Amino acid sequence: AQSVTQLGSHVSVSEGALVLLRCNYSSSVPPYLFWYVQYPNQGLQLLLKYTSAATLVKGINGFEAEFKKSETSFHLTKPSAHMRDAAEYFCAVSVGGNQFYFGTGTSLTVIP
Amino acid sequence: DSGVTQTPKHLITATGQRVTLRCSPRSGDLSVYWYQQSLDQGLQFLIQYYNGEERAKGNILERFSAQQFPDLHSELNLSSLELGDSALYFCASSAGLAYNEQFFGPGTRLTVL
Repeated sequence: AQSVTQLGSHVSVSEGALVLLRCNYSSSVPPYLFWYVQYPNQGLQLLLKYTSAATLVKGINGFEAEFKKSETSFHLTKPSAHMRDAAEYFCAVSVGGNQFYFGTGTSLTVIP
Repeated sequence: DSGVTQTPKHLITATGQRVTLRCSPRSGDLSVYWYQQSLDQGLQFLIQYYNGEERAKGNILERFSAQQFPDLHSELNLSSLELGDSALYFCASSAGLAYNEQFFGPGTRLTVL
C-alpha cells in the first residue's frame, strides 16, 4: 500500500531562513512524488514533481525537493523564506498514475 | 486561476439531504478527480474519471457517487448527508491518466447542519 507521512504539522521559520518540510513515502514500486501548496481559501497548486528523472527537482517560487530512495524521502526546501510562502504544503505520491495519496499537510508560518 | 471551475462555492444543507456538486475541467483535460478535505482527515482522494469512465476509486462512501458527462464536466452526488460530511470538496483535472499535473478548482464548502 502507498502512503505519505509529513513530519510536523506546523513549521515556523523566520523570514530569510531556510525552509525544510519533510515528507516520507511508502511504496512498493517506484513512485511519482509531488509537492502542492494551498494558500488560504484556494485550491491546491503544484510546486514540483518527481517522475524518475533527476533526483533533485526544482519547482516554482524557488522551492526544490530531492528524491532519496534509500531514505524513502522527498523533502521540500527553499533557501530563504518569504512572507508570501506562508501556506499549507502537501506531499503526495502516485503509483500507477491514477490514485493520489496526500499527506496530512504542513502549515508553514513565516515570522517577519 | 487554474481553469477548473466548481459550483456552488458554498452549500449549506441539513442532515439526510442530497446535494450535487459540479465541476468543469480545464479545456482539453480528460481526467477529473474528486477530493474531500476535512480538518480531521486531511485531503482524501474520492474518485477519478477519465473521458467519461470511472478509473480509480479511493475512500468514497457508498452514499456518494459521481459521473462524468460527454462534455467532460463532472458531478459529485452526496446523499443521506451526515454532519461528518461537512468539508471542502475539491475537483481537479489533468490532461491524461498517468503522472500528469492535476489542476485544482477553488472547491465547494459543504456545511451539513
